Amino acid sequence: AQKITQTQPGMFVQEKEAVTLDCTYDTSDQSYGLFWYKQPSSGEMIFLIYQGSYDEQNATEGRYSLNFQKARKSANLVISASQLGDSAMYFCAMREGRRNTGKLIFGQGTTLQVKP
Amino acid sequence: DAGVIQSPRHEVTEMGQEVTLRCKPISGHDYLFWYRQTMMRGLELLIYFNNNVPIDDSGMPEDRFSAKMPNASFSTLKIQPSEPRDSAVYFCASKTGGLLTDTQYFGPGTRLTVL
Repeated sequence: AQKITQTQPGMFVQEKEAVTLDCTYDTSDQSYGLFWYKQPSSGEMIFLIYQGSYDEQNATEGRYSLNFQKARKSANLVISASQLGDSAMYFCAMREGRRNTGKLIFGQGTTLQVKP
Repeated sequence: DAGVIQSPRHEVTEMGQEVTLRCKPISGHDYLFWYRQTMMRGLELLIYFNNNVPIDDSGMPEDRFSAKMPNASFSTLKIQPSEPRDSAVYFCASKTGGLLTDTQYFGPGTRLTVL
């Protein structure tokens, strides 16, 4: 069964506008972590933002915020004021179980293109 | 601080040859992960180590793949013999085991092409 679902294979956004990338997950664990990574065309995986399952507030990192809706099992990434450099593939990932376990499960990714 | 270091960045080899990929984790990190990325299967975990000990190798595709971590600052992923379907980008990642942080930091990846 798919654990992480990213339903948007590709998205476009106008420069300076906000964009939301969708991510839903499936787990029976009470403790888990959710991550977003960015993969530009150069290929590296860049960590963006993290949300723990027990964190009551949505995580924010600069222009990135994670809209965490636990009951809906969704962890959408919001990028405010899009920039041309935001054009990349974005991956949602989940770590099941306690923090000292390691395995991340990734979604299939969403390709974001920012238009000037 | 140096991030995760992987070598080589690109590897082209012929079917049947042995391939060794190398990784140096971030200093002080006690977890190390090997992932593979392909168009068909996306990003998938192959194996991970904690304190140099393999914890979960259920993602290793078959006996042709092996991984070692002889010390805290070095790990290898070996494919012997290599096959064209092994062509992929192989990432190494590391993290600390502290309770206050949970983030895995990835290396730049090794793009492997098996002809």
